[in-house]
Amino acid sequence: SQELEQSPQSLIVQEGKNLTINCTSSKTLYGLYWYKQKYGEGLIFLMMLQKGGEEKSHEKITAKLDEKKQQSSLHITASQPSHAGIYLCGADSGRNEKLTFGTGTRLTIIP
Amino acid sequence: EAQVTQNPRYLITVTGKKLTVTCSQNMNHEYMSWYRQDPGLGLRQIYYSMNVEVTDKGDVPEGYKVSRKEKRNFPLILESPSPNQTSLYFCASSLSRTYFNEQFFGPGTRLTVL
Repeated sequence: SQELEQSPQSLIVQEGKNLTINCTSSKTLYGLYWYKQKYGEGLIFLMMLQKGGEEKSHEKITAKLDEKKQQSSLHITASQPSHAGIYLCGADSGRNEKLTFGTGTRLTIIP
Repeated sequence: EAQVTQNPRYLITVTGKKLTVTCSQNMNHEYMSWYRQDPGLGLRQIYYSMNVEVTDKGDVPEGYKVSRKEKRNFPLILESPSPNQTSLYFCASSLSRTYFNEQFFGPGTRLTVL
C-alpha cells in the first residue's frame, strides 16, 4: 500500500518567516492533495497537483510536485498566525478508490 | 449551505455499548468515507462508499460497520466499542472518486471509550 511521509512533524516559525513542508511517497503519485486542519476540526482542501513539475499557488501558499511525481512540497511565504494548524498531504495511487494521508505537520506561528 | 454534518460531535461511552455516529451530506455526492485520526498515525480510512449500497473496507475497518441505504447518509456503527477505538472521527464526501479535490469533511466526532 502507498505510504506518505511528511516532514517535519512539527514546525515552530516566527511570524513573517517562510517555511516549507515536504511530503514523500513510496510510490508514484497520480494525484497529490494538500489539506489544512485547524486543531480538532475538519479538513479544508488547499490544492491538488497531478502533473510532474506542476506548481500551484493560492495567496501565500505554493505547492509543487516533482518531476518524478513522488515528492511534493508546500511553501508558505511571510507566515501569519492564520497559517497555524496541521497540514496534511493526501495521495491517490490511481488503483483504488481511496486517499492515503500523511501523518501531518503541525505548524505553530509565534509572534 | 453545502455541508457534511456529523452527530454527535462528542461522545463518551463504555466498552461494549453499541453506538452509531451519523453522517449526512446535502450535496448529492456519490462518494462518502469515514476516517479516524490518531496522534502520530495521521488520518486513516475506515470504510468508503462509492454509491448507494456500495461500500468497501479502507485501511482500518476492524470493529466498524457502515451502511449506505440512502445517498445522503453514511452512518458509522461500532457494535462493541473498545478503548482502542477512542479517536477523532471524520466523515467526508465528494462528487465521485475522481473529484477528491472537492472532498468536503465534516467537523469531526470525538469519541472516548472507557
